[in-house]
Amino acid sequence: DIQMTQSPSSVSASVGDRVTITCRASQGISNYLAWFQQKPGKAPKSLIFAASSLQDGVPSRFSGSGSGTDFTLTISSLQPEDFATYYCQQHNTYPFTFGPGTKVDIK
Amino acid sequence: EVQLVESGGTLVQPGGSLRLSCAGSGFSFNDYWMSWVRQAPGKGLEWVANINHDGREKYYVDSVKGRFTVSRDNAKKSLFLQMNSLRAEDTAVYYCAREFPPMITFGGAPDSWGQGTLVAVSS
Repeated sequence: DIQMTQSPSSVSASVGDRVTITCRASQGISNYLAWFQQKPGKAPKSLIFAASSLQDGVPSRFSGSGSGTDFTLTISSLQPEDFATYYCQQHNTYPFTFGPGTKVDIK
Repeated sequence: EVQLVESGGTLVQPGGSLRLSCAGSGFSFNDYWMSWVRQAPGKGLEWVANINHDGREKYYVDSVKGRFTVSRDNAKKSLFLQMNSLRAEDTAVYYCAREFPPMITFGGAPDSWGQGTLVAVSS
């Protein structure tokens, strides 16, 4: 199975900060990488597909990049509603696998 | 508006069976792969299974192979997960998700999610 790792596991940040989360795959997955946001007690929300394409309705402060094994999710200016846990997922090889998550909380 | 509504979650004893359902609306259900993703209490997301448009292709995570079966009824715009031989480690919120984009030949990543249904396996 392809293992997905994320760093950091948690980050404390302030409103207006730039936040970058890294996701690494144990083998190449081309650009078959998606990012999700989840708030406590809620279903995940899809943010990015194909490593860098924003889902409809997702604010432009979110961006994704990368290909192969290394990917990043960047929030250019953190807003109060962005405090949440973020997951990456590869869908290149079965079984599809998620990263362990990165919690973004208030500094 | 795309809507996915799961049902069927409940408390079940170890070794028992359960069938989850997911009703889709607001989109052309038979154009999309569909998947189940679960989340154990306080843990991360785990992809469980998916199924292609016509139900002929199905994939599973190893931990549920031989115990869980994913199926769909396109006429009723519904997705199902038959869960047998349930174990304590199957305790989780189970989410139904639509995979994106439509009409692909291989599974994709979710773009829409249901609200989840809780399955608790305990004696």
